[in-house]
Amino acid sequence: EDKVVQSPLSLVVHEGDTVTLNCSYEVTNFRSLLWYKQEKKAPTFLFMLTSSGIEKKSGRLSSILDKKELFSILNITATQTGDSAVYLCAVNNNAGNMLTFGGGTRLMVKP
Amino acid sequence: DGGITQSPKYLFRKEGQNVTLSCEQNLNHDAMYWYRQDPGQGLRLIYYSQIVNDFQKGDIAEGYSVSREKKESFPLTVTSAQKNPTAFYLCASRPTSGREYEQYFGPGTRLTVT
Repeated sequence: EDKVVQSPLSLVVHEGDTVTLNCSYEVTNFRSLLWYKQEKKAPTFLFMLTSSGIEKKSGRLSSILDKKELFSILNITATQTGDSAVYLCAVNNNAGNMLTFGGGTRLMVKP
Repeated sequence: DGGITQSPKYLFRKEGQNVTLSCEQNLNHDAMYWYRQDPGQGLRLIYYSQIVNDFQKGDIAEGYSVSREKKESFPLTVTSAQKNPTAFYLCASRPTSGREYEQYFGPGTRLTVT
């Protein structure tokens, strides 16, 4: 059974801080790892990672995958209050068309 | 506008009643998914469908049923057999080519059963 564990469960920081969110996984026939941001309702897609060591970047957010150690990190620099959300990590395997989600990290950025 | 719609946004039911949650997409996506999210938790897969007239159980299918009679529609019925139905329900879809593992989510339905 595929498994995804995210840490920390929750995090409170102040604007301007840098945060690192962690996602470790166990999956048979790994294909890709995805990060989503969930504010009030629907998760919105951030990144999809398939290759080790290649950083994906979008503005102040970046993510990298380590397929040897089976984890990914999501970095947010110069945090803003609008970054407050639940960040979800999910993995996909080659066998099917499903995503297995982690429990999420709830980030709160205080002014 | 293209997208996924779920209705209603909030739903209240008495225990023992079946309830059907709607999910419609006009993205021409083949695959559709239903997830359940409990407070402070991630998403757990209930059912998914890769093609019309076909669907598969996810990790927590007990007490739920689905149908996929049309490509654009994937309704979820929460039956009275579901022991703890109060939750936030998210529907998603994805194309089966291109960025195939990026799922697009609807706005969700919050179901409260008392």
